[in-house]
Parts: sequence; structure tokens; C-alpha cells
Amino acid sequence: GESVGLHLPTLSVQEGDNSIINCAYSNSASDYFIWYKQESGKGPQFIIDIRSNMDKRQGQRVTVLLNKTVKHLSLQIAATQPGDSAVYFCAEAGGTSYGKLTFGQGTILTVHP
Amino acid sequence: GAGVSQSPSNKVTEKGKDVELRCDPISGHTALYWYRQSLGQGLEFLIYFQGNSAPDKSGLPSDRFSAERTGGSVSTLTIQRTQQEDSAVYLCASSRQGASTEAFFGQGTRLTVV
Repeated sequence: GESVGLHLPTLSVQEGDNSIINCAYSNSASDYFIWYKQESGKGPQFIIDIRSNMDKRQGQRVTVLLNKTVKHLSLQIAATQPGDSAVYFCAEAGGTSYGKLTFGQGTILTVHP
Repeated sequence: GAGVSQSPSNKVTEKGKDVELRCDPISGHTALYWYRQSLGQGLEFLIYFQGNSAPDKSGLPSDRFSAERTGGSVSTLTIQRTQQEDSAVYLCASSRQGASTEAFFGQGTRLTVV
């Protein structure tokens, strides 16, 4: 079936470094791709999304890149801070399953001071 | 309320018992979702309500699972004859217009079946 997966399950960086979290997806009909951040004991928190007709979108310290050719999504976090430590999930929605978010396994980001 | 509220926050039940999990979405949000998250795993879609449309139940793992949404607001997820493999965090989310983007999640109900 369709799935969304992540290349790296864990990522450790030093405070101030830039972080890149990657995601592969398989549903070419997806319209939206979303990154969520989940801190321990909390529900996922929306970070940024991107539509399939875009290849880049920037937010505050975060950038999402979409490469539809290779079905790849990435989240870049600039000047990573200890407060960025969390699990990051990519998710896709749209096509015939509009409204239904399909999540990947998640990447654990640890930021060392 | 200001956010999605779920209750109880923790539930321990004996195998074979029925449980009900409640979700109060953000006021005015027409879409409501239930997900399940096992330890260290991603989120598994269970069910999706959008306005008065028939819910998308395609993610419910068995007929022991059911959900309803009364008056387009509060939702209840019911698990009958609970099994140990049902142990997980059950997350509810709501969004304004049914688009999955900008879905706001509650903090979840941690269910433990002993």
C-alpha cells in the first residue's frame, strides 16, 4: 500500500548547526505534505506544509523542500536549538484520501548544547 | 476551549473490558480525526469525520473499534473487549475545513490494557 517513510530514525546535532530531516513518500497523488514536531508526552504540533505545486517553502527558521521527481521531502532547521529536540514526522495527504493524513515513522532529533 | 481536549489522559483497563475515549475538538472545526500511536512508532490513522458526511472508517483495525461524533462536535472512540495489543496512545485532531493541513492535535489518551 501507499506509505511515507523516513531515511534516518535518529539525528544528533550541536546547538547552532543546521539540521536536515529527510522523508520519502510513495503516493504520487498526494497534494499536501506536512511536517509535525512531537515533544515527549504531547500531541504532534504542525510546523510547516507544502503543496505539490511548490518545491520550496520557508517559515521561521524552517524550510521544507519537495522533490516530486524522486518523491522526497526534507525539513531544514536553521541554527538548531535545544528546544528543537523532538520527534519529527512527515505526513502526506490528498489524492483520493483527502483528509486522511498518512504519517511516517519519525526521526528523533537531539540537539546538544 | 483553546485547544483539542481529550479525556481521560490515562486509562488502565483489564483485558476484555470496553473503554470509551473522548475528544472535544476546537470550536468551529468541522473535521475530526482519530489516530493511534504505539510506543516509538508513527501515527496510525483510525477514522475521519468531516461535517455531515459519512466518516472514513478505513483505518479501524477491527470491528471492536467504533467511533461516533455527536452534533458535529464531541467524538467518542469505543474499543470493545480490549486486548493487550490495543495499548497505545490515542490521539484526536481537528481542523477547520477538512484539509489535513493545520490539524491541531490533543495530548492523547494513553491506554494500557493489562
